[in-house]
Amino acid sequence: DTAVSQTPKYLVTQMGNDKSIKCEQNLGHDTMYWYKQDSKKFLKIMFSYNNKELIINETVPNRFSPKSPDKAHLNLHINSLELGDSAVYFCASSQRGNEQFFGPGTRLTVL
Amino acid sequence: GESVGLHLPTLSVQEGDNSIINCAYSNSASDYFIWYKQESGKGPQFIIDIRSNMDKRQGQRVTVLLNKTVKHLSLQIAATQPGDSAVYFCAENLSNSGYALNFGKGTSLLVTP
Repeated sequence: DTAVSQTPKYLVTQMGNDKSIKCEQNLGHDTMYWYKQDSKKFLKIMFSYNNKELIINETVPNRFSPKSPDKAHLNLHINSLELGDSAVYFCASSQRGNEQFFGPGTRLTVL
Repeated sequence: GESVGLHLPTLSVQEGDNSIINCAYSNSASDYFIWYKQESGKGPQFIIDIRSNMDKRQGQRVTVLLNKTVKHLSLQIAATQPGDSAVYFCAENLSNSGYALNFGKGTSLLVTP
């Protein structure tokens, strides 16, 4: 009965590879997000989707491509991974502008 | 650019004492503020929120105060417990952001017995 789930929890990969992170929410929310948390714990918004449509893309390289097949899912695909992409990625969801519920995070390590 | 910041990066309190975590924001257009708690290895967990038409809101053992005049937000935790040890973030909604949040840098709260 997890509200917001992400897979995988850990992802270790080589530079230049392409990888995906999946996110699902069972709260019936209409808005989903991806946040990046760096090694200093700073959380920054990457994308915001409302009803499957992209609302915000905060200066994220186009190697990052979110995909929302339906309102309950927002996946993150990353092409040509770089060392600087190493971070913890959090998916979140909300009903419009109300409180956001976060997933457990995916720790990405690029070697 | 405009940002949300925190006054203290770390805070150490004794069990049973009250804790106060402060946050300054600079976006006068922000109308929604949230406090999150993040334990090691976990995602941020909602604690309490407040909208700009209020100056105080209380939850279970927590109180959020909003001073719009000086753009200051605080989180008060009563009778702090060891389980309260975590990193605390304040966040504000971004104008025209599709509801995305702008997070502060975080304060690490350590509760000692």
